[in-house]
Amino acid sequence: GDSVTQMEGPVTLSEEAFLTINCTYTATGYPSLFWYVQYPGEGLQLLLKATKADDKGSNKGFEATYRKETTSFHLEKGSVQVSDSAVYFCALRGLDSWGKLQFGAGTQVVVTP
Amino acid sequence: EPEVTQTPSHQVTQMGQEVILRCVPISNHLYFYWYRQILGQKVEFLVSFYNNEISEKSEIFDDQFSVERPDGSNFTLKIRSTKLEDSAMYFCASSLGREVEAFFGQGTRLTVV
Repeated sequence: GDSVTQMEGPVTLSEEAFLTINCTYTATGYPSLFWYVQYPGEGLQLLLKATKADDKGSNKGFEATYRKETTSFHLEKGSVQVSDSAVYFCALRGLDSWGKLQFGAGTQVVVTP
Repeated sequence: EPEVTQTPSHQVTQMGQEVILRCVPISNHLYFYWYRQILGQKVEFLVSFYNNEISEKSEIFDDQFSVERPDGSNFTLKIRSTKLEDSAMYFCASSLGREVEAFFGQGTRLTVV
């Protein structure tokens, strides 16, 4: 079945450092790929998405590119802020699903001043 | 901005009791979902609901679970006889279509004692 694997956390960074969170997936065909973010005490918010190969999703300085050849959707940000401290979830939606999202385990990111 | 609202934010219940978790999806959305996240584990899909019936469910969603849209605005998850292992954060989500972004509520933390 479909699955998502993302790097374990916590990831601790200093402000203005470069952030990468790796995400790879297993799925049939061309699923849609997402990054969701969960700030402390809040629900899941969509950060960015990509629906086909080579698409780049971007939002709030974060980017991720849908790489079919490596089945990856790594999240990057060039210069993190303390306010980026959160848990980040990679997710996919399969072709035949009724909107069901398959999530990775989540990666906690802690940004220190 | 429209949002998905879940109540209560935290519920404590005795093992064996029935609980109902409530959600108010975004008003013009057509697809509704429940997910859960056991502490320290990944977010898991439970069920999707469309046109007043279950469209997809996971193996977690066994006979002790049921969903209902009783009045056109609420979407509920009932757990008939709670077990200790049902303790988790339960997220409701809704979307306009099955191929577009799902919006999540802030979650209900269920603690079974």
